[in-house]
Amino acid sequence: DTGVSQNPRHKITKRGQNVTFRCDPISEHNRLYWYRQTLGQGPEFLTYFQNEAQLEKSRLLSDRFSAERPKGSFSTLEIQRTEQGDSAMYLCASVRGVGVDTEAFFGQGTRLTVV
Amino acid sequence: DQQVKQNSPSLSVQEGRISILNCDYTNSMFDYFLWYKKYPAEGPTFLISISSIKDKNEDGRFTVFLNKSAKHLSLHIVPSQPGDSAVYFCAARRGAQKLVFGQGTRLTINP
Repeated sequence: DTGVSQNPRHKITKRGQNVTFRCDPISEHNRLYWYRQTLGQGPEFLTYFQNEAQLEKSRLLSDRFSAERPKGSFSTLEIQRTEQGDSAMYLCASVRGVGVDTEAFFGQGTRLTVV
Repeated sequence: DQQVKQNSPSLSVQEGRISILNCDYTNSMFDYFLWYKKYPAEGPTFLISISSIKDKNEDGRFTVFLNKSAKHLSLHIVPSQPGDSAVYFCAARRGAQKLVFGQGTRLTINP
């Protein structure tokens, strides 16, 4: 257990429905990242928060995706009008401070299946 | 543009022998490198890291080597144990920016 909690662990949804995932990072960590991983690939960066500010978004993140981190604590990732191509493992990671030599701690992920 | 590459999708090693996992990168601005281990249906778990100012870092059975001129790093596991069977990801970062991951290598340790 890394201390990063993601809910739900699994989500099955019908195409066109909206889904929301939650990430609770390690409490003293001010940086939070969302990644997506598909079969046979490494995690791909989606977006990044430093405290409550969303500092970077990947070009992979279409308009259907939105992320928030109110009050710099937990974060949510919402996908609207889901498509089958959205099926993947969604991973959240948190990092302490802004130093260079710090590792990211990942949650167990949310497995999304769009049918 | 795959900035971090792991060219071996899989590796099979006998228990007790050395496992060597390789990773190449193209972005010379990367200054911090990490290895993560991943079991099925779980998130990646941090294993070991190395700063670009070093060429070697050891932690128990795990050693990471960095060759900046070749833009290459490797992870050595010795001796290999059955519990080491997992997918290993190499990742790189510039400063405090996001991690960029390779595609992963599936390591199987045979008894």
